[in-house]
Amino acid sequence: SAVISQKPSRDICQRGTSLTIQCQVDSQVTMMFWYRQQPGQSLTLIATANQGSEATYESGFVIDKFPISRPNLTFSTLTVSNMSPEDSSIYLCSVQTGAGRGSPLHFGNGTRLTVT
Amino acid sequence: KQEVTQIPAALSVPEGENLVLNCSFTDSAIYNLQWFRQDPGKGLTSLLLIQSSQREQTSGRLNASLDKSSGRSTLYIAASQPGDSATYLCAVRAGSYQLTFGKGTKLSVIP
Repeated sequence: SAVISQKPSRDICQRGTSLTIQCQVDSQVTMMFWYRQQPGQSLTLIATANQGSEATYESGFVIDKFPISRPNLTFSTLTVSNMSPEDSSIYLCSVQTGAGRGSPLHFGNGTRLTVT
Repeated sequence: KQEVTQIPAALSVPEGENLVLNCSFTDSAIYNLQWFRQDPGKGLTSLLLIQSSQREQTSGRLNASLDKSSGRSTLYIAASQPGDSATYLCAVRAGSYQLTFGKGTKLSVIP
C-alpha cells in the first residue's frame, strides 16, 4: 500500500482565517479523496481531487469553502477557508492505488483542526 | 441512500477474550466492504477488504465475514490484547467511488 504523508498533523486557528492541508503520496495513485470527521461522527466525503482539473464536490460542500488542488498524481491540497468553530474536525486524505471500485482505500494520519 | 450502522457503539472486554463487532448496511448492491481501525486523534488503518463476491477474509487474529444478501458484516477478533483498543470502522462502497462509513465501535481491552 502507498505511504501517505499529511501536513500539518494538527493546528489551532482563529476564526476567519484559512488553512491549507497537504497530502503527499510516495507513489502515483489513481484516485485521491478528502474526508472530514466531525467530533463523534463518522467520516464524510468532501470531494474527489481530480488531477489537472476541478475537484468533484459532494452535496453540502462547495469550492469556495474547500478549494482543492491536485497538480499531479502524488500530491493534493485542501484549503479550509474563512474558518468558523464548526469547521473543527479531523480532515483526512485518502487514496486508491489500484484501478476500479474493487480496490481498497488507504488513509493518511489526518489533520486535527481546532478553530477558536 | 446507503446507511451503515455499527453495533455496539462501545465495548469493553478483558484481555484474552474473543469478540465480534457488527456492521449492517441498507443497500446490498455493494462493490466491497472495508474494515478500518482508528486510534484516538489519528487516521485510519485498513484492516480487511471483502469484495462483494467473497464471504470472508482473514488476517492474523482478525476475521471478517460478509453476508451481502442480509446486509451484514462481522469482524471477529481472537484472543484480544490491550493493543487492540481503538475504534473500529466499517465502510461500504456502492455505486460510486465514495465509501459510506458507520460511526464505529470503540473497543477497550482491559489488561
